[in-house]
Amino acid sequence: TQLLEQSPQFLSIQEGENLTVYCNSSSVFSSLQWYRQEPGEGPVLLVTVVTGGEVKKLKRLTFQFGDARKDSSLHITAAQPGDTGLYLCAKKSGNTPLVFGKGTRLSVIA
Amino acid sequence: GAVVSQHPSRVICKSGTSVKIECRSLDFQATTMFWYRQFPKQSLMLMATSNEGSKATYEQGVEKDKFLINHASLTLSTLTVTSAHPEDSSFYICSATGEGGDTQYFGPGTRLTVL
Repeated sequence: TQLLEQSPQFLSIQEGENLTVYCNSSSVFSSLQWYRQEPGEGPVLLVTVVTGGEVKKLKRLTFQFGDARKDSSLHITAAQPGDTGLYLCAKKSGNTPLVFGKGTRLSVIA
Repeated sequence: GAVVSQHPSRVICKSGTSVKIECRSLDFQATTMFWYRQFPKQSLMLMATSNEGSKATYEQGVEKDKFLINHASLTLSTLTVTSAHPEDSSFYICSATGEGGDTQYFGPGTRLTVL
């Protein structure tokens, strides 16, 4: 059972545009992680957010954790073709295994 | 950072044969390893959790007799797909956590194609 909803599922944009993807749950996260996965490879951790309202930046990527710790967003500024990939949010609770959202498949066209 | 490897990276086999996939933690002791499966254009779905020296815990709907998991050492877990069928074709990804279990480190995945 998928506990995390991600939107949009697919996104195709031109190079230089900005975009936001969302991750939502009906339950509270103890922490949430964002991953990026390229075809034929394992997911790579981008960031972990723990505190409600937390904002973290990674170059052109801005991650925000909702105040109630039930949602998160990833904003990419001036997208580049190298940003193309599958973006996954994952819920972490203690030592239990990660539960992944369905992912947002991003395609950035040059 | 911690490194997890998988072998092979891709395998093609005939229907009815068994395939073994290895997952190794290269620079840390993995007390817990996880196996995920990812079908095309879908997300990662947890198949099972294994702790070193004990039986794996399988998620609902995953056949334990078909997907045999062995975690015999702190650096190696294996997943054996027995009597593979075309519907088992998928991308299999392992991850591992060390003592404390705070961070999962992912392997690069194994692409299984069953003809």
